[in-house]
Amino acid sequence: SQQGEEDPQALSIQEGENATMNCSYKTSINNLQWYRQNSGRGLVHLILIRSNEREKHSGRLRVTLDTSKKSSSLLITASRAADTASYFCATDREDSSYKLIFGSGTRLLVRP
Amino acid sequence: NAGVTQTPKFQVLKTGQSMTLQCAQDMNHNSMYWYRQDPGMGLRLIYYSASEGTTDKGEVPNGYNVSRLNKREFSLRLESAAPSQTSVYFCASSDWGAISGNQPQHFGDGTRLSIL
Repeated sequence: SQQGEEDPQALSIQEGENATMNCSYKTSINNLQWYRQNSGRGLVHLILIRSNEREKHSGRLRVTLDTSKKSSSLLITASRAADTASYFCATDREDSSYKLIFGSGTRLLVRP
Repeated sequence: NAGVTQTPKFQVLKTGQSMTLQCAQDMNHNSMYWYRQDPGMGLRLIYYSASEGTTDKGEVPNGYNVSRLNKREFSLRLESAAPSQTSVYFCASSDWGAISGNQPQHFGDGTRLSIL
């Protein structure tokens, strides 16, 4: 069964706006990762946040983690057309950190 | 630096045929993974190899076998292809360690496989 579930499934915004995607998971984790997938390509790692961290930044990306609610959010600020892609969260499990379980993703469309 | 290389990029098979998907990484990573991605879904883990010489089943192993040939190479074999195995297959590697824990996974660009 899937560990992470993203919300919304699809998001369409105007260039320059912020995009927020959410991820919920079910069991205790060591860390949570966010990946981007452009059409026809493999996944690219964006950011990893450990269970003892609450917030992490990387360029225009901001990730938060709330382990009490078993949820995470990915914020992309000042979006660009090049940010158009699918975004996936992936979690490990506290008892098996070498495996990741991926959600079904959020499809982001940034309109020029 | 090539990263993770998958071959072939596209393949069409008939039901019952066999084939091997190849994957090689040049990052000296310990762990390697095979996933399948079906339309509108996330990735599902087929098999993984936590380190050279070991392989284990993931979520959806039925109909597949794997070989960790050496530290660089991890192949996925379909012994008797079925239409339900039509999918995009991704190989990934990571520098997972017992001390460092989970690390980012690096993905190839996938093999698009159709079974007729």
